[in-house]
Order: sequence, then structure tokens, then C-alpha cells
Amino acid sequence: EIVMTQSPATLSVSPGERATLSCRASQSVSSNLAWYQQKPGQAPRLLIYGASTRATGIPARFSGSGSGTEFTLTISSLQSEDFAVYYCQQYNNWPPLTFGGGTMVEIK
Amino acid sequence: QLQLQESGPGLVKPSETLSLTCTVSGASISGRSYYWAWIRQPPGKGLEWIGSVYYSGSTYYNSSLKSRLAMSIDTSKNQFSLRLSSVTAADTAMYYCAGAGGGYDPFDFWGQGSLVTVSS
Repeated sequence: EIVMTQSPATLSVSPGERATLSCRASQSVSSNLAWYQQKPGQAPRLLIYGASTRATGIPARFSGSGSGTEFTLTISSLQSEDFAVYYCQQYNNWPPLTFGGGTMVEIK
Repeated sequence: QLQLQESGPGLVKPSETLSLTCTVSGASISGRSYYWAWIRQPPGKGLEWIGSVYYSGSTYYNSSLKSRLAMSIDTSKNQFSLRLSSVTAADTAMYYCAGAGGGYDPFDFWGQGSLVTVSS
């Protein structure tokens, strides 16, 4: 099983600032890595797939990078609607499909 | 636009079987190479993949749940289902159904979730 580890668990950021979230895989997942955003009371929403491709309708301030075992999600200038929990997920080697534990982005 | 909707009891007694159905609208459940999945989230915790089913009926389960799990697909109703037997309080969670465009694709469609509580 591929274990996905996200850091930090909580990130405190001021609106307008840049946020950088990390995701590490226990073995290579190539570029088969997705990022999701989840707001309270809502289902997760796909943000990034293929490690760096934005899903339909996702603003350009969200960007993903990395391959193999190290991945980053960057939010260039945080808007009020971006405060949420973010999860990474690998779909390269399954079953099982595995998610990271999540990073909560909170208002500083 | 493809939409998913979970349905099923919100309360299940310990040792009984949890049953949920996901109804797919906006596209045929067998019209593309979609993998249909169940994912759960205990209160205040992260996401756990439960299992996936292909339109052909092939199933893929999380080994931690495999002995209690059964998933199926009904193409005539455009639905897929989850049955989890011998439930305990640890199975209390929000259960989401989701769709991935292929075996090596992310989940791009999600239902709104169905909260299932295991309690007597």
C-alpha cells in the first residue's frame, strides 16, 4: 500500500498571501496524483490531477507540481473562499487508492 | 453534467448491514470507462477509499474491509450499491459515492454524501 503523507497538518495564512502544501508518497506514483479541496459540510472537489493539470473551472491561482514521491500544491494569493482542507490522492498503484491525511488552511 | 446522489438509512444498529445506493444521472453508468467508488470520512477525520466497481461488474476492495464488503452495479437503473456487514461504531462516517474517468484517473465527480451512524 502506498502511504501518502501531507504536511503541515495546519497552515495559517493571511488573505492575499501564498500557501504551499506538501504531499509525499511512500513510493513513486509517477504523476498520478490529485489534489482535492473540501469545505465544511461539502464533498471534496477535484482541483488538480496529473500532479499539475487544473480541473475544469479551477482558478489559475491554484497550481500543482512534482512527480515521483514529492508533490506541492501552491495557492498564489489566498482568497477567503480558499480556506478549507486539502487532500492529495494517488491513483497510480491500486488497490488500494490512498489519500493523504489532509492539510487545513486557516485564516491567520 | 454527471451527477451522483447517495441514498440509504442514516442509522444502522451494531452488527447489522449498512446498505447504500448511488444513483447516477446525466450519463449512462456503462457509457464510458468509468470506475464508480465509495469513499468514507469519519467525523473530523480524513478520506478512506472503500472500493470501486467497473460497469462490467468487476470490483476492487480495500483489504481492510474486504471480508465485510460487497459492491454491485445495476446498469438498468443507473445505480451502484454498497453493502457493509457486521458494522460497529467505527463504521460511523459520511459515505460518498464518486466517479473516476478510468482506472488511472482521479475522482472528478462526487455525490453530496450520506451520513451513516452506527448506534443501538
